[in-house]
Amino acid sequence: GENVEQHPSTLSVQEGDSAVIKCTYSDSASNYFPWYKQELGKRPQLIIDIRSNVGEKKDQRIAVTLNKTAKHFSLHITETQPEDSAVYFCAACKTGNQFYFGTGTSLTVIP
Amino acid sequence: DTAVSQTPKYLVTQMGNDKSIKCEQNLGHDTMYWYKQDSKKFLKIMFSYNNKELIINETVPNRFSPKSPDKAHLNLHINSLELGDSAVYFCASSQELQARWGTEAFFGQGTRLTVV
Repeated sequence: GENVEQHPSTLSVQEGDSAVIKCTYSDSASNYFPWYKQELGKRPQLIIDIRSNVGEKKDQRIAVTLNKTAKHFSLHITETQPEDSAVYFCAACKTGNQFYFGTGTSLTVIP
Repeated sequence: DTAVSQTPKYLVTQMGNDKSIKCEQNLGHDTMYWYKQDSKKFLKIMFSYNNKELIINETVPNRFSPKSPDKAHLNLHINSLELGDSAVYFCASSQELQARWGTEAFFGQGTRLTVV
């Protein structure tokens, strides 16, 4: 099966700085890579996703990059704000919708 | 309109009991999942169902069994509960697996199970 690794497990940044979270995957058949944000006590919610036919995608302060050759993808958050504080999960998915999640990154944005 | 709803939100029960968690989605999705989130926040897939067929069954104890009366529901039954079963259980759903690409999974609000 797929193996998704995620780093770092915890990340603290000053408000206004950038945050980067990295994931690697093992199954070259994976073609869809969503990122989920989970606030304390709440459900995971999709914040951005990317398909394997695209190398980069951006949505306001959030961007995701994908390197299919190296089998890694990253989440970039610019101009971080306190409300960005949460646990972030990457996931890899292939046709058949078998989602495999990374181990999560707890992001703290310090005001 | 809640897309994926699960009940109850909290469940406290004694060891050895049998319990169920219900999940319903109104998105018309064909695939539903159950995930377990432990104290370290790891999200581990337990089951997924598509058109009433089990398509993923990770190494979970056979005390856990999914039941899908129809495409919109996937309930989780747990027999002989153990202390280690304490966790937050999330139901999720996504679109049909015939698509070329994977699609977003929508999560329920979670059920916090505490076994005492």
